[in-house]
Amino acid sequence: QSVLTQPPSASGTPGQRVTISCSGSNSNIGGNFVSWYQQLPGTAPKLLIYRNNQRPSGVPDRFSGSKSGTSASLAISGLRSEDEADYYCAAWDVKLSGHVFGAGTKVTVL
Amino acid sequence: QLQLVESGGGLVKPGGSLRLSCAASGFTFSDYYMSWIRQAPGKGPEWLSYISSGGSTIYYADSVRGRFTISRDNAKNSLYLQMSNLRAEDTAVYFCARAGSTWELDNWGQGTLVTVSS
Repeated sequence: QSVLTQPPSASGTPGQRVTISCSGSNSNIGGNFVSWYQQLPGTAPKLLIYRNNQRPSGVPDRFSGSKSGTSASLAISGLRSEDEADYYCAAWDVKLSGHVFGAGTKVTVL
Repeated sequence: QLQLVESGGGLVKPGGSLRLSCAASGFTFSDYYMSWIRQAPGKGPEWLSYISSGGSTIYYADSVRGRFTISRDNAKNSLYLQMSNLRAEDTAVYFCARAGSTWELDNWGQGTLVTVSS
């Protein structure tokens, strides 16, 4: 049972917008920054979003993040076939004094 | 360019020990917090430990506290994870990662597989 809750799957057709939610609590998302990671099959996770809505250099602006209260969201606009991957949210949890991940959302491009 | 390369994984019997290493290059290693994360087959990532840039501050996940020890050698640009009393549920790919200023894991290695089995 993950501390952060994500839907197991999401899908869309090329060009569509897909949104992934991440629900937590005051001890994690509610009081700390959220980051998002993309994991393509057989590879290490890659940082996609940090500090709730910041993109590292090289990440397309099709990816955007937001946070409100104890929930966060990742949006992928203009969906492409290469976006088919697992996506994980994460945050520091002050009660656990540790970094927590969601269980992940598998995005399928139909 | 920035590179993190893990090594030391392999097959170990339950109750055994293993030491993982992570060689860092392409950035000033001594300026950054570093972290170990693992991913069991078919599961999401599980954060294990952070160590501060100088090594004085360390955090562990409850699942490994008392069994795993993180350390670093800034002179060798290397990060380590000493694992003891290994269990079958420790079977996973182990990644090292660089931590940013707000705990984000901004660069990851390719991982090393640890299999705990008799």
